[in-house]
Amino acid sequence: NAGVTQTPKFQVLKTGQSMTLQCAQDMNHEYMSWYRQDPGMGLRLIHYSVGAGITDQGEVPNGYNVSRSTTEDFPLRLLSAAPSQTSVYFCASSWVQGAYEQYFGPGTRLTVT
Amino acid sequence: KQEVTQIPAALSVPEGENLVLNCSFTDSAIYNLQWFRQDPGKGLTSLLLIQSSQREQTSGRLNASLDKSSGRSTLYIAASQPGDSATYLCAVGVGDYGGSQGNLIFGKGTKLSVKP
Repeated sequence: NAGVTQTPKFQVLKTGQSMTLQCAQDMNHEYMSWYRQDPGMGLRLIHYSVGAGITDQGEVPNGYNVSRSTTEDFPLRLLSAAPSQTSVYFCASSWVQGAYEQYFGPGTRLTVT
Repeated sequence: KQEVTQIPAALSVPEGENLVLNCSFTDSAIYNLQWFRQDPGKGLTSLLLIQSSQREQTSGRLNASLDKSSGRSTLYIAASQPGDSATYLCAVGVGDYGGSQGNLIFGKGTKLSVKP
């Protein structure tokens, strides 16, 4: 199993550009989530999904969109990048929401200039 | 609102020492608690998961305890090694039995350095 994979590893955007961060898992996990990690702030939940076709907002959803058309994939879209979205983004998954340990991807380091 | 605090923010110990990392949370109605390790520039690796009904979990040289009533968890590392140097993160699973059940709220971590 590859586990949780994320692409790209690094990305530089200009303010106003849009892009999609990819996340995929091959463990047949129902629950997937996106976090951002900022210095001094810890990890914060952006969006999560409890299964294909179902998504919900986390603590910091503004400026981000998600969809879940398959069990395996959970892309995160930045609609119009802002410097405040400069961060490291992590995708995570687990069997179902709540009861099981969560597995994290290697992260995407995004810089918005 | 649930808040998770980890103290100290950084810790430096000599190799071989036993050590304890602390995590506290403000709302005792949690679903579970998970300890992670993060190496510089890397993702998070799950170390131990404690369900809300459990008091402790052990894996190798690691032992994590949970006291829900006092809002505390500790991660005990026995016979520390330089390879244990990393940032250790505590995350609480939200206990709200609505849609957000189990979503994680993280502390800011303890950066551990084990000197040879």
